[in-house]
Amino acid sequence: TQLLEQSPQFLSIQEGENLTVYCNSSSVFSSLQWYRQEPGEGPVLLVTVVTGGEVKKLKRLTFQFGDARKDSSLHITAAQPGDTGLYLCAGGHPSGTYKYIFGTGTRLKVLA
Amino acid sequence: DTGVSQDPRHKITKRGQNVTFRCDPISEHNRLYWYRQTLGQGPEFLTYFQNEAQLEKSRLLSDRFSAERPKGSFSTLEIQRTEQGDSAMYLCASSLDSGDLRSGELFFGEGSRLTVL
Repeated sequence: TQLLEQSPQFLSIQEGENLTVYCNSSSVFSSLQWYRQEPGEGPVLLVTVVTGGEVKKLKRLTFQFGDARKDSSLHITAAQPGDTGLYLCAGGHPSGTYKYIFGTGTRLKVLA
Repeated sequence: DTGVSQDPRHKITKRGQNVTFRCDPISEHNRLYWYRQTLGQGPEFLTYFQNEAQLEKSRLLSDRFSAERPKGSFSTLEIQRTEQGDSAMYLCASSLDSGDLRSGELFFGEGSRLTVL
């Protein structure tokens, strides 16, 4: 069974602080996606990484896919209250892209 | 609105009753997924369709759960003889397979929240 463990599970920080969220597995994935979900809504895609070691930047967010494609990290610089939400990583099935396994989630709260 | 739509948004039912959820995906998307999410947790994969074919069903799904996508467009998820443990948000997502790993974005609906009393 493929499992994606995220850490930390909860994070409460002050506006302006930096943070890193981790997504780890013992399985290799064909791709790794990060989503953000707000209460009462479905998850919304932030980024997709495909190549081992790949780094992508989206404004204040930096995403990295591990060299072995088993883990990923999301780093937020100078967090803002608008970053508050549930962050989810999702791994694409090694044999194709049709099935995505979601991580356990990291709930982030940024205080003004 | 051309996004994924789900109906109903909320359903309260008594234990033992049957419930059905409907999902209308983005029209050109050939893949459709059902996930279940409990509060504060990540979505759990339930099943997946490519066009009208159901290609995989999670072992999490008991025989009380059935999903269909009869014409490769909308899909229904039925839960028979509901139990309190079925209470959750049921999320539908669709995607377009273009053969590019970077294009496999899942577009989610807002979910159908089920409460079993």
